[in-house]
Amino acid sequence: AQKVTQAQTEISVVEKEDVTLDCVYETRDTTYYLFWYKQPPSGELVFLIRRNSFDEQNEISGRYSWNFQKSTSSFNFTITASQVVDSAVYFCALSEAKYGGATNKLIFGTGTLLAVQP
Amino acid sequence: DVKVTQSSRYLVKRTGEKVFLECVQDMDHENMFWYRQDPGLGLRLIYFSYDVKMKEKGDIPEGYSVSREKKERFSLILESASTNQTSMYLCASSIPYRADEKLFFGSGTQLSVL
Repeated sequence: AQKVTQAQTEISVVEKEDVTLDCVYETRDTTYYLFWYKQPPSGELVFLIRRNSFDEQNEISGRYSWNFQKSTSSFNFTITASQVVDSAVYFCALSEAKYGGATNKLIFGTGTLLAVQP
Repeated sequence: DVKVTQSSRYLVKRTGEKVFLECVQDMDHENMFWYRQDPGLGLRLIYFSYDVKMKEKGDIPEGYSVSREKKERFSLILESASTNQTSMYLCASSIPYRADEKLFFGSGTQLSVL
C-alpha cells in the first residue's frame, strides 16, 4: 500500500535561515508521482512541484529546491533564506500509476507546519 | 488561471441534517475530487469523479455521497450529518493524463456539525 510520512509536525525558524522539510514515501509500484503542495493561512492548497519516479533529477526554483532519492524513498524540500511569507503547512503526496492518471488516488502526508519568525 | 470555487467558506449544521457542499470549476476539467482535512491526518480522499455521472469511492466514503450532473459541478452530500463529520472539506479538479497533471484546489469549506 502507498504511504507518505512527514515526520516533522512543526518547524520554527528565524527569517533567512535555511529549512528542509522531510518526506518519506512507500510504494510497491515502479511508476509513481510525487507532489509538494503549500497551504497558506488562507486555506487553498497551492501546487509547488510534481516529480515522476523515472526522473530523479533534482530541481531548483528560486529559493526552493527538491531532493528526490529513490534509494531512500525520500523527496525532501528545502527553502533557502526563508521568509515570513513561507509560513504555511506543506504537504507531500504520492500517487501510483496503476490507478490511471497522476491525480486519481493521491495520498497525502500529514503535513508540516512551517513558522518563519521575523 | 483555473478557478475552483466552493460555495461556502463556513457552514454550521445540526446533527441529522442533510448537507450539500457545492464545488464548481471553470476550466473544463474531467476529474473532480472531494477531500477532507483533519489535524494530524492530512487530506483524505472521500470521492472522485472522472466524468459526468461517473464516480468512484475514495478512502473514506462512508457517510457521504456525491453528485455530478454537469461537468463543472461536483457536489458532496452528507445524508445525515454527524458530529464526526466536522471537518475542513476541500474540492479539487484536474485534467487527466497530461504531463503536467496536478490538482487545483478550492479554498475549502469548514463544516461544523453541532
